[in-house]
Amino acid sequence: GQNIDQPTEMTATEGAIVQINCTYQTSGFNGLFWYQQHAGEAPTFLSYNVLDGLEEKGRFSSFLSRSKGYSYLLLKELQMKDSASYLCAVRDSNYQLIWGAGTKLIIKP
Amino acid sequence: ETGVTQTPRHLVMGMTNKKSLKCEQHLGHNAMYWYKQSAKKPLELMFVYNFKEQTENNSVPSRFSPECPNSSHLFLHLHTLQPEDSALYLCASSQETSASYEQYFGPGTRLTVT
Repeated sequence: GQNIDQPTEMTATEGAIVQINCTYQTSGFNGLFWYQQHAGEAPTFLSYNVLDGLEEKGRFSSFLSRSKGYSYLLLKELQMKDSASYLCAVRDSNYQLIWGAGTKLIIKP
Repeated sequence: ETGVTQTPRHLVMGMTNKKSLKCEQHLGHNAMYWYKQSAKKPLELMFVYNFKEQTENNSVPSRFSPECPNSSHLFLHLHTLQPEDSALYLCASSQETSASYEQYFGPGTRLTVT
């Protein structure tokens, strides 16, 4: 079966750095997405990786290793507004998105 | 209005009621989706429409009935629901011709079935 694993919850301190991991086993691979979802709001697109390596976008970076079935989202200079759930999703060989259950990130002052 | 809008934002209905959820996208996209989001579970894809044609129906019970009259509007008709259908229902759209064609989500309808 297809599976996306990510930690259920993480806690970090304001101003610090946090890395949220995602491992996947899917039938085929056509890209990996990270979304941010604040409580009670819509998921919003953060990043897309289809080739191995690091994609940097401001305070957020996303890394992909296709051979290891692994990605991480790196958040730097954490702010209180970064408290949210972070969803990892993989597009499979049928171009359907397979979603992880999300990682709830709690930022403490 | 911009992006993807959904109405109503909250809905409480009894098991014998009939109601409809509405989604509208203002992005000129050609694909629209219905998802169910339950607490601590992955997003569950329910239906996909591409250029108004339904291309995916992931074994969703018949008490959920989608309708896509045009590429900007999507409805989810609900009847004789069960308490376990209580969840956040998210609509999304995407442009299938873009490189990554990420999905843009609406704010969702929080459904409670009593």
